[in-house]
Amino acid sequence: QQPVQSPQAVILREGEDAVINCSSSKALYSVHWYRQKHGEAPIFLMILLKGGEQKGHDKISASFNEKKQQSSLYLTASQLSYSGTYFCGTEGTGSSNTGKLIFGQGTTLQVKP
Amino acid sequence: GAVVSQHPSRVICKSGTSVKIECRSLDFQATTMFWYRQFPKQSLMLMATSNEGSKATYEQGVEKDKFLINHASLTLSTLTVTSAHPEDSSFYICSARVWGAEAFFGQGTRLTVV
Repeated sequence: QQPVQSPQAVILREGEDAVINCSSSKALYSVHWYRQKHGEAPIFLMILLKGGEQKGHDKISASFNEKKQQSSLYLTASQLSYSGTYFCGTEGTGSSNTGKLIFGQGTTLQVKP
Repeated sequence: GAVVSQHPSRVICKSGTSVKIECRSLDFQATTMFWYRQFPKQSLMLMATSNEGSKATYEQGVEKDKFLINHASLTLSTLTVTSAHPEDSSFYICSARVWGAEAFFGQGTRLTVV
């Protein structure tokens, strides 16, 4: 089951903040966040493994609420280089978990000067 | 981060021919490799999960006879698109990961079938 991301698209000015949400209908073992630029492969941002875990580096951070099966990615003081499409990838629990990631439909972020 | 190399980056082939795409993890031994397909402005759709020495597990709706996956070693997986047709034209991306860690993606292969 594909996770649902919101919003579908965001337009920001440099320096503004954004939040991207990812919600799943299935129990999750982990959530992974990636950014993809047009025509390129996705670049890994971070992985969240535990309920309520929060991670961050530089001005990008994320949280994972295991009980709600939701994760959010926080981008603060956005830079032009943050532009791209953000995907959350979810990994389910249980015996069917083979380590595969199912990706959301993506959130397109455009940062303008 | 770890390096996953995918080759070729672009290929144009004639309808009815087969194309092989290679995916190598260069500096780590991947527990599992995955193959995704991506249409323009759309998400990454998982095609199959590949484990070394065993048969690939295909997602529902993916034709296993058309998309042949071979996982010869812990560092190499190949995807062969057999009897390609224009509707198979797409961006194919592999990823590799060790259990419990992040997945790293190859550069992707842009396949155009004419």
